[in-house]
Amino acid sequence: AQKVTQAQTEISVVEKEDVTLDCVYETRDTTYYLFWYKQPPSGELVFLIRRNSFDEQNEISGRYSWNFQKSTSSFNFTITASQVVDSAVYFCALSEAGGAQKLVFGQGTRLTINP
Amino acid sequence: KAGVTQTPRYLIKTRGQQVTLSCSPISGHRSVSWYQQTPGQGLQFLFEYFSETQRNKGNFPGRFSGRQFSNSRSEMNVSTLELGDSALYLCASSLAPGGISYEQYFGPGTRLTVT
Repeated sequence: AQKVTQAQTEISVVEKEDVTLDCVYETRDTTYYLFWYKQPPSGELVFLIRRNSFDEQNEISGRYSWNFQKSTSSFNFTITASQVVDSAVYFCALSEAGGAQKLVFGQGTRLTINP
Repeated sequence: KAGVTQTPRYLIKTRGQQVTLSCSPISGHRSVSWYQQTPGQGLQFLFEYFSETQRNKGNFPGRFSGRQFSNSRSEMNVSTLELGDSALYLCASSLAPGGISYEQYFGPGTRLTVT
């Protein structure tokens, strides 16, 4: 069975600090996809990134970066120079290959950026 | 381009009643998935529809059902409501299944409260 664990329930930092959100996953599939979503107070899940299991290259998008390590089954998310607008709940998710649209989500990490 | 719309946004029902929630996908998207979000269980997959056919179903009782219409709009129904059905119900649309490269775009959700 697939499982995603986000051990950090809540993180609170001061603006401009760097923060890393951890994500560890379990799957028996050799081909799978990993995602990060952001959920602001409005409730809508906002897509941030998708990574397939064959692509272990790290990715950087502005202040956001992702570190995918298959050896440790981790897909961590770092926000550099955090801003108050980054405050939200962040979810890591896993999906099997083969066309299934079913996402298995972690419990989420509530990130609060204090001014 | 309009995003995923869900109606109603808020709903209050009494135990034992039934409820129908509606989701209109992004124009051109033909795949719709539903998720339930509760504080205790987090985000859980309910079902996925494509071309009016249910392709995948999560681990929920038969009281939860859904359907998709020829215009890709989808509805989900919960019969004999229980207090534990109180949740945020999120709908997501994508171009099609069969290729997980199709990102899922989420709507703002319907917040259902059962009293």
